[in-house]
Amino acid sequence: DAGITQSPRYKITETGRQVTLMCHQTWSHSYMFWYRQDLGHGLRLIYYSAAADITDKGEVPDGYVVSRSKTENFPLTLESATRSQTSVYFCASTPGTVATGANVLTFGAGSRLTVL
Amino acid sequence: DAKTTQPPSMDCAEGRAANLPCNHSTISGNEYVYWYRQIHSQGPQYIIHGLKNNETNEMASLIITEDRKSSTLILPHATLRDTAVYYCIVRVGPHTGGFKTIFGAGTRLFVKA
Repeated sequence: DAGITQSPRYKITETGRQVTLMCHQTWSHSYMFWYRQDLGHGLRLIYYSAAADITDKGEVPDGYVVSRSKTENFPLTLESATRSQTSVYFCASTPGTVATGANVLTFGAGSRLTVL
Repeated sequence: DAKTTQPPSMDCAEGRAANLPCNHSTISGNEYVYWYRQIHSQGPQYIIHGLKNNETNEMASLIITEDRKSSTLILPHATLRDTAVYYCIVRVGPHTGGFKTIFGAGTRLFVKA
C-alpha cells in the first residue's frame, strides 16, 4: 500500500529495554522526520534525515538513535527506554525537491509507546 | 526557522467562519507560511501554505499581511469536524537547504453546535 506506515502502533515496554519504532514510506521522499508528542502538548522534533545515511538532530534528540540505510525506512531506537520517553511518536516525510516550496509533510498514524 | 505565536485556544460557532491568527514577525524573505491541523490523536494534516499572496484551496484560505509578519487561516464555514489543534509554521523553501520543521504549541479550535 502506498503511503507512510509506522509500526508498532502500540508498544508497552519496561525501563531499560531497547525499543525500535519503524517508519516506512513508499514515495521515495528524500526527507523523513521523527516527532514526539506528549499528552496535551505540541510536536517536538527528535531527528530528521535529508537522505539515506544523512541524519541530523532536532529539538530533543537525547536518548534516541536513528539510522537511514535505505531511503524508504527511518527507524527510531530508544537504546535504554525511560519513563520520560512515554509518548506518541509520529513519523513524517516530504519530497524535498518541489520547486514551488510545497515541501508538505505527510505524517504517519503514530506509535503510542508506554514505558513502565 | 522563524518562530510563530498563536493563541492557545479559540471557539467558533458551527457554520461561522473561523479565523485563526498567527504572528511571525521575524519571518525571512525566503520563508513560507504553512498551516497544519491535528484532529484528536491523529497525525497532523497539511492544510495550506503561502509565501506572499493570499491563497485558497478546498479546505481554507490563507491571508498574509503585506509585511508578512502575520497571517490568518480562515475556515469559511466551520463544522464540528474542524475541532482540532491548528499549527502555523514558517520555513524555507526547497532550494535554500534544510527542511528542519519545528512545530509550536498551536491553537486548539473548538467548534460548537
